[in-house]
Amino acid sequence: QVQLVESGGGVVQPGRALGLSCAASGFAFRSHAIHWVRQAPGKGLEWVAVISYDGRKRSYAESLKGRFTISRDNSKNTVDLQMNSLRAEDTAVYYCARETWGSEGYTSFDVWGQGTMVSVSS
Amino acid sequence: EVVMTQSPATLSVSPGERATLSCRASQRISSNVAWYQQKPGQGPRVLIYGASTRATGIPARFSGSGSGTEFTLTISSLQSEDSAVYYCQQYHNWHCSFGQGTKLEIK
Repeated sequence: QVQLVESGGGVVQPGRALGLSCAASGFAFRSHAIHWVRQAPGKGLEWVAVISYDGRKRSYAESLKGRFTISRDNSKNTVDLQMNSLRAEDTAVYYCARETWGSEGYTSFDVWGQGTMVSVSS
Repeated sequence: EVVMTQSPATLSVSPGERATLSCRASQRISSNVAWYQQKPGQGPRVLIYGASTRATGIPARFSGSGSGTEFTLTISSLQSEDSAVYYCQQYHNWHCSFGQGTKLEIK
C-alpha cells in the first residue's frame, strides 16, 4: 500500500547532529515532491522543508535555513533530513508527507508517515 | 512569509450542529489552501485542498470556501468522530505555512 515510514529519531544533545530518513513505497516516488513537517509536544504543525520530485529544487522554513538539509535518492525511494546544531526547540515529532496535485493544479499533502520523535536534551 | 491565523482556538459544538472554522492569511494569497484534521496520536489527514475541493474519501459534510485572505472550513451535522484539531495551510512559491490549529470539541 501507499506509505511513508520515517526513521532515525532519538535523543540527541544540544549542538549535535542527527539524520532522519523517510522511506516510500506503493507509489511512483520520483513523481512527487516530499515535505518534512514537525510538531513540538502539544503544539501545532510547523513546515520544515520540501524537495522537488527530481531533487533539483529545495526550500526551507526561514527559521531553519542553514542548519537543516533535505536530500533524496530516487533509486532508493528515500528522502533524508540532516539536522545540524540542534537546539532544545527542535524537539518534535518529524513527519514526512507526500505532495500531490489535484484539480486545477492545487496541491495538498495527501500521504503522511507515522512520525519519528526527536528529543534534544542534555 | 505568510502567517496563517486560525480562529477560534477552541470550539465546542453539539452533535448534529454546524461548526465554522476560520483562517486568515497575513497577505493576499492564491487559493492553494488546504485543511487538515488531526486526531490524538495520529498524523494529519487532508480534508480540503484548493480552498474548496474535498479530498478523496472525505464526507460531504466537510466543505471549504474563501479567497484572498479569508478562508473557512464548515462541518455540517457534526458527528462525534469529528472531534479533532483542524489546521489550515497555504503553499505558494515553494513555501508553506500552517495555522496554529482549532480544537473542535463535541459536546
